[in-house]
Amino acid sequence: RKEVEQDPGPFNVPEGATVAFNCTYSNSASQSFFWYRQDCRKEPKLLMSVYSSGNEDGRFTAQLNRASQYISLLIRDSKLSDSATYLCVVNADFNKFYFGSGTKLNVKP
Amino acid sequence: DTAVSQTPKYLVTQMGNDKSIKCEQNLGHDTMYWYKQDSKKFLKIMFSYNNKELIINETVPNRFSPKSPDKAHLNLHINSLELGDSAVYFCASSQRDSGREQFFGPGTRLTVL
Repeated sequence: RKEVEQDPGPFNVPEGATVAFNCTYSNSASQSFFWYRQDCRKEPKLLMSVYSSGNEDGRFTAQLNRASQYISLLIRDSKLSDSATYLCVVNADFNKFYFGSGTKLNVKP
Repeated sequence: DTAVSQTPKYLVTQMGNDKSIKCEQNLGHDTMYWYKQDSKKFLKIMFSYNNKELIINETVPNRFSPKSPDKAHLNLHINSLELGDSAVYFCASSQRDSGREQFFGPGTRLTVL
């Protein structure tokens, strides 16, 4: 079983839509959780950390459910510039970071 | 100011050659990593060093040898390159036990012909 599982997509949505990505992780001792964004032919970059209480950054909202070992990312009012691959990342085991395979988002005009 | 830098950005070489990729970070982090991202885009950890000490060594052919001369640098040497080594190699750094994120370098796109 993979440490982190994500739906690979692609999610094809129109501009202005709301889209949600989900991610599950297998290690209940995981300590830190993140969403990264990766553009084509670029390195992954931190989008936001995910806190137990949930957190919001502009149009982006991240939620963590430790009991279900589940992380989510909600993007409201999608922009063309949001088109990218979104990676769910979990930190456990002495600073080993486990990456999901990524969810591809295409925002269409 | 570049936080994590890698050289070269592109590397095209013949099968059987030996090549090195270099990585440097100026974030003051104590832990550095090498990842391989293949054509299916999955990021796979290869190695991790903490203060020059190897702490993660995944199942990687021993043709790959990392070296960390100090905590700001982590190099990757690859012997006898094979076609299957073609991928993008990312260096990353983080501060151990901080619970904080990793920062990635721009990647080295390796093509073995």
